[in-house]
Amino acid sequence: DSGVTQTPKHLITATGQRVTLRCSPRSGDLSVYWYQQSLDQGLQFLIQYYNGEERAKGNILERFSAQQFPDLHSELNLSSLELGDSALYFCASSPRWEGAGELFFGEGSRLTVL
Amino acid sequence: AQKVTQAQTEISVVEKEDVTLDCVYETRDTTYYLFWYKQPPSGELVFLIRRNSFDEQNEISGRYSWNFQKSTSSFNFTITASQVVDSAVYFCALSVRGQNFVFGPGTRLSVLP
Repeated sequence: DSGVTQTPKHLITATGQRVTLRCSPRSGDLSVYWYQQSLDQGLQFLIQYYNGEERAKGNILERFSAQQFPDLHSELNLSSLELGDSALYFCASSPRWEGAGELFFGEGSRLTVL
Repeated sequence: AQKVTQAQTEISVVEKEDVTLDCVYETRDTTYYLFWYKQPPSGELVFLIRRNSFDEQNEISGRYSWNFQKSTSSFNFTITASQVVDSAVYFCALSVRGQNFVFGPGTRLSVLP
């Protein structure tokens, strides 16, 4: 158990819909990262937050947005969903923001868009 | 820009064989961190090791060992006497101070009984 909690674990929805994925980091970790893993694909970095502020942005679509709240949990919002958005979405937390500390991953949220 | 290459897409070995997973990284920074993660069939990502660029000592943890060579920009991972439970996708990752983690494409290891 990494200490990172992601909900929901599984989500099935239709094209055009909007979903919200939630992540609670490990206790004390200020940095949250979001990654997307499509079928047989590697891990694509989406976005990073540190203590409520956006720190880095990767290949995140404009239809996607995220935020980190004062209690440090984070949400990833995916809108106008397309079939290609079907993937495993991981949240990870780290005690540091600059990449020196290891990432601790949640179990992922598996999104299926029909 | 940072890059991680894992040239081996898939490897199959028979139980008890040793196997080495290759990782080659690219960065111009002198301070960086290297990681290995394991993703078993259940899907979660499990942290295995972190190494910083100033520490070239090789590390052994049970049946796992890591060989870090700055001269060849490689951070290879060896599993000795492999077991079926080692079957997973293994990711090598690089982070550079102030920037983000970059993951390699992963190597799928199948250990056959």
